Amino acid sequence: DAKTTQPNSMESNEEEPVHLPCNHSTISGTDYIHWYRQLPSQGPEYVIHGLTSNVNNRMASLAIAEDRKSSTLILHRATLRDAAVYYCILRAINTDKLIFGTGTRLQVFP
Amino acid sequence: DTAVSQTPKYLVTQMGNDKSIKCEQNLGHDTMYWYKQDSKKFLKIMFSYNNKELIINETVPNRFSPKSPDKAHLNLHINSLELGDSAVYFCASSQDRGLVGANVLTFGAGSRLTVL
Repeated sequence: DAKTTQPNSMESNEEEPVHLPCNHSTISGTDYIHWYRQLPSQGPEYVIHGLTSNVNNRMASLAIAEDRKSSTLILHRATLRDAAVYYCILRAINTDKLIFGTGTRLQVFP
Repeated sequence: DTAVSQTPKYLVTQMGNDKSIKCEQNLGHDTMYWYKQDSKKFLKIMFSYNNKELIINETVPNRFSPKSPDKAHLNLHINSLELGDSAVYFCASSQDRGLVGANVLTFGAGSRLTVL
């Protein structure tokens, strides 16, 4: 399974945009890029996913590099509720596995 | 309405006992999963079932046995509990949309198992 690399932790102030980076230099052409987050004492929660093009939804935006070797999850205005561990995951087109790494712990300060 | 519900939320038991964790999803999804999150917060897949059929069975001790009576339920039974089984267990489900890699998982809130 292709691996992802994320910073262990990041900080942000409330109301500011947050850019969470993810490197996946060994990504294959058919791997989807998924982002999940886990709030304290809760189960993981789907955020966004994409294949090649940038994606937007009500929670966040996903910017995918042209060579697909990296991606960035963008929270446009961080709130205290966005404090969580964010996981960047590659998912092969033909597998049911979602393999979690160590993620990035995002702290949001008021 | 809770989409993926697990019971119990907390379970404290002695070594050697047998226990079960139940999971139900009301999303009409075809696939259900069990994940384990250990004390270091590392999430690892254990099993997945698609329409009651076992699809993924990671290297999990035989003491763990999933049971899927129907596609809305996936229960986890654990025999002869050991200290190392202490963890948070998450159930999840997804709808097969044709391209498995694009499927999105919905997780339950977790069941914290403590083995004394």
